[in-house]
Amino acid sequence: GQQVMQIPQYQHVQEGEDFTTYCNSSTTLSNIQWYKQRPGGHPVFLIQLVKSGEVKKQKRLTFQFGEAKKNSSLHITATQTTDVGTYFCSGGSNYKLTFGKGTLLTVNP
Amino acid sequence: EAGVAQSPRYKIIEKRQSVAFWCNPISGHATLYWYQQILGQGPKLLIQFQNNGVVDDSQLPKDRFSAERLKGVDSTLKIQPAKLEDSAVYLCASSEGNSPLHFGNGTRLTVT
Repeated sequence: GQQVMQIPQYQHVQEGEDFTTYCNSSTTLSNIQWYKQRPGGHPVFLIQLVKSGEVKKQKRLTFQFGEAKKNSSLHITATQTTDVGTYFCSGGSNYKLTFGKGTLLTVNP
Repeated sequence: EAGVAQSPRYKIIEKRQSVAFWCNPISGHATLYWYQQILGQGPKLLIQFQNNGVVDDSQLPKDRFSAERLKGVDSTLKIQPAKLEDSAVYLCASSEGNSPLHFGNGTRLTVT
């Protein structure tokens, strides 16, 4: 079945440093979605990428979808303490979404 | 708009007991999902409904878990009998077509 892998599993940074998490799928995806889950909270949608090679930005966050539509990345520039949480990618094909295990980001002020 | 409503927020039961969770999706959302999230892991899909029909229940442990979505609106997920490894947060989500998932606050289940 479809598998979605995320690396790294954990990342600890100093406030102001950059952060990147990577998502890789075993199969070609029709779309990829990114979610953020704060400690004790539920996943909250960040963005959806659909097109091959697509790049989208949300303030300090940059999302990329690979040319082969099998991988994606999320990059945060100049992290802030409010960025703390677990970032999940979720790959979709045939109306089925599979979540990765997530990357837990902690930020030292 | 009102979000996805789930109850209860917390539940503690002993192994071999039964438990039920309830979810009311966002109005108009045809697709409803139940996910199991074990601490430190990503959400794992248990069952997906499209209106009142099951789209995917391939990862639902059918010997102990059951779910229904009568009338295509709210849904219940039941576990009977519960095992220790069922301790997790049970998340309900809803969506319209290929739109993003909207999650409820979840039910944290502890099985002792």
